[in-house]
Amino acid sequence: GENVEQHPSTLSVQEGDSAVIKCTYSDSASNYFPWYKQELGKGPQLIIDIRSNVGEKKDQRIAVTLNKTAKHFSLHITETQPEDSAVYFCAASRGTSGTYKYIFGTGTRLKVLA
Amino acid sequence: DAGVIQSPRHEVTEMGQEVTLRCKPISGHDYLFWYRQTMMRGLELLIYFNNNVPIDDSGMPEDRFSAKMPNASFSTLKIQPSEPRDSAVYFCASSLGGLRNTIYFGEGSWLTVV
Repeated sequence: GENVEQHPSTLSVQEGDSAVIKCTYSDSASNYFPWYKQELGKGPQLIIDIRSNVGEKKDQRIAVTLNKTAKHFSLHITETQPEDSAVYFCAASRGTSGTYKYIFGTGTRLKVLA
Repeated sequence: DAGVIQSPRHEVTEMGQEVTLRCKPISGHDYLFWYRQTMMRGLELLIYFNNNVPIDDSGMPEDRFSAKMPNASFSTLKIQPSEPRDSAVYFCASSLGGLRNTIYFGEGSWLTVV
């Protein structure tokens, strides 16, 4: 069936360094790829998303890249700060009515060391 | 906007008891989702509704689980009878269908069945 693989499962970086999280999806019909950040005791919150007609999107220190041919997409966080410490989830979706499902990755626990 | 509102935030119940989790989606959203999160299985979609109608309940684990959406501003997820393996965080989420497809999550209901 459809699945999304996410790596690494844990990631520790020094404050100020960059962090990269990678996801690979299996459903070639996927066309919408959101990233969520989940802090301890809270629900996942959308931080950035990208559609299949775009190769890269940036929002301040966060960027997402998409390679449709290889079916993988990545989250890049630059100049990491302690408040970036959280669990990050990628997801893939077809985004069409009637098949409104996200397939989530297994999550990456990011620790930013001060 | 108040966001997706869930209650209760925490519930501890004895095995065999009925549990009812409640959700108020974001006003105007036409999709509502129930997810379950565990360490072992990550984020699992249990069921989702479109315009109050259940569209896909293939993720509901057993007949002990049921969900209703009597109107656009309220949904319940019921477990009867509850079992220890149902212990998890249950998230309600909502979305406005269409091009963006972003799903917004509530803070979750932390269920412990002893």
